[in-house]
Amino acid sequence: GQNIDQPTEMTATEGAIVQINCTYQTSGFNGLFWYQQHAGEAPTFLSYNVLDGLEEKGRFSSFLSRSKGYSYLLLKELQMKDSASYLCAPSSYNTDKLIFGTGTRLQVFP
Amino acid sequence: GAGVSQSPSNKVTEKGKDVELRCDPISGHTALYWYRQRLGQGLEFLIYFQGNSAPDKSGLPSDRFSAERTGESVSTLTIQRTQQEDSAVYLCASSPPRDSYGANYGYTFGSGTRLTVV
Repeated sequence: GQNIDQPTEMTATEGAIVQINCTYQTSGFNGLFWYQQHAGEAPTFLSYNVLDGLEEKGRFSSFLSRSKGYSYLLLKELQMKDSASYLCAPSSYNTDKLIFGTGTRLQVFP
Repeated sequence: GAGVSQSPSNKVTEKGKDVELRCDPISGHTALYWYRQRLGQGLEFLIYFQGNSAPDKSGLPSDRFSAERTGESVSTLTIQRTQQEDSAVYLCASSPPRDSYGANYGYTFGSGTRLTVV
């Protein structure tokens, strides 16, 4: 089964740093995806963590702790265009389907 | 094609009518998924096809919902006797086969079909 928890909404200021947390309980866990979804658009892939630790990709980084069932997405030097929903999706060996968290709606203010 | 294609992009239908939504996945992607997203809500899993295996229908909300897929090609999601609560964006996604290490490469989503039942 799956249990995914992430904050519903967050706000931040342009140029700041924000961390979006996700905790999960997933049987057969084998990695975790983060997707970004702008209002009215389809989700797009941001990152995939399999091993513990931090993976950096430009202004975005994603962290995973398998033993704690915990991940976060770190967004640096926030821009207005980063205003979007961020979806956490743990994956499993048992199936290819992804169950998404409810998403964290991030609003970036000037 | 280059991406996942969904049609129509918008559909307005009268309550009680049947609708068909189409998804054309990326060539070579063996898996295809349907999700529903109500306004301001998260992604709700509906159904998943993997190659020639029996589909995982565990997310279909009622027997008014059904889906078919021809081989590893186009899929059609059908909603019979539509209700107002069916109004949502229906998203299709596809994914390639796992590699020899079992790595999952995640989804590519289509732009969705916005269904409005009036």
